[in-house]
Amino acid sequence: NAGVTQTPKFRVLKTGQSMTLLCAQDMNHEYMYWYRQDPGMGLRLIHYSVGEGTTAKGEVPDGYNVSRLKKQNFLLGLESAAPSQTSVYFCASSYPPERWGTDTQYFGPGTRLTVL
Amino acid sequence: GENVEQHPSTLSVQEGDSAVIKCTYSDSASNYFPWYKQELGKRPQLIIDIRSNVGEKKDQRIAVTLNKTAKHFSLHITETQPEDSAVYFCAALSSYGKLTFGQGTILTVHP
Repeated sequence: NAGVTQTPKFRVLKTGQSMTLLCAQDMNHEYMYWYRQDPGMGLRLIHYSVGEGTTAKGEVPDGYNVSRLKKQNFLLGLESAAPSQTSVYFCASSYPPERWGTDTQYFGPGTRLTVL
Repeated sequence: GENVEQHPSTLSVQEGDSAVIKCTYSDSASNYFPWYKQELGKRPQLIIDIRSNVGEKKDQRIAVTLNKTAKHFSLHITETQPEDSAVYFCAALSSYGKLTFGQGTILTVHP
């Protein structure tokens, strides 16, 4: 049981390049999330998905796109990377919030992205 | 949307002392409040949580209290140990079903 995994772990991009971050979970969770973490700003929600084929905007969605073609995978895309997108990106998954209490969001190990 | 403020941003204590971190939230409909611990270079991990129908919850050396009227909740760590050193985040689950996180508190426990 791998939990939540993310690939790649590290990446350096040049301004204007594109890339896709992959998140995979094997816990059969309906909900998946993408966060970015910047120093002194906590975790901010980029996009999230409440089920296969559905996505929604979070707090800071600009410059990112997502897709949830399979229940176990959630992809985060940067079409034209900017230095402001330098951050650590965390994926998470969960059951619906009404089931939280003994179970909550499980986070992946993170992807450290640097945009030059 | 929900707004969560967390204080202090840094906290330094001696081993054995208690540590308290406080958070306030804005959405009165928020009903679930988890606390996460994040060690350097690692992912956030849930350490304790509380629902809005409970005023206090304790798990060994950590406890969380919730004041719904004042819209604030706090994390209490007693008998701190060096391995408690980490960044701690509070969060609130809003009526929109999304977690909003506080800015984090860097806790340092000196031996």
